[in-house]
Amino acid sequence: EVQLVESGGGLVKPGGSLRLSCAASGFTFSSYSVNWVRQAPGKGLEWVSSISSTSSYIYYADSVKGRFTISRDNAKNSLYLQMNSLRAEDTAVYYCARVIVGATGLDHWGQGTLVSVFS
Amino acid sequence: QSVLTQPPSVSAAPGQKVTISCSGRTSNIGDNYVCWYQQLPGTAPKLLIYDNNKRPSGIPDRFSGSKSGTSATLGITGLQTGDEADYYCGTWDSSLSAGVFGGGTKLTVL
Repeated sequence: EVQLVESGGGLVKPGGSLRLSCAASGFTFSSYSVNWVRQAPGKGLEWVSSISSTSSYIYYADSVKGRFTISRDNAKNSLYLQMNSLRAEDTAVYYCARVIVGATGLDHWGQGTLVSVFS
Repeated sequence: QSVLTQPPSVSAAPGQKVTISCSGRTSNIGDNYVCWYQQLPGTAPKLLIYDNNKRPSGIPDRFSGSKSGTSATLGITGLQTGDEADYYCGTWDSSLSAGVFGGGTKLTVL
């Protein structure tokens, strides 16, 4: 069974940092691109970042560019999101999601981890 | 404001059909495949449609997708109360080099 489990969320003050992790199991993690998607309370989905299977291609939303860094460790079947200079508007549930091979779509999602940024 | 435009809400009676539109531009919907997600309250999104009109295994054929030019449509037939959820369209934007979503549409089954 494909599983994605996020961790690392929590409360942080503006300007602070957090590192999110996503542990993958049930599939060959190294063969898939993965994304981070977030959802602010009561709001819609917002794409955050994506990384290809070998980390050759990395993309960010303008809203996080320069502050967030996506990375992965295929040996550990893990995805990461380093979040620096956090702002109140970064408050959201953060999901990791797997990209369908050779197609457009996120076919498996984690349960999400909540990041709250407030003073 | 979302890059892709969806109606905030739609509604229909059980057993009826509903469509949800998603409007964009050449750089996103026009040049790339579209996918659709269903999000039930308090849960993670679930992929319903990928590559404009393909269904992942386990998704019933009551759900369908189509694309024409810079717009896409999700269709749901034989509405059930369990279909009440938020629905999002998504795609890649070649100009932004970024993923984009619609603002979401809340489906109410009356």
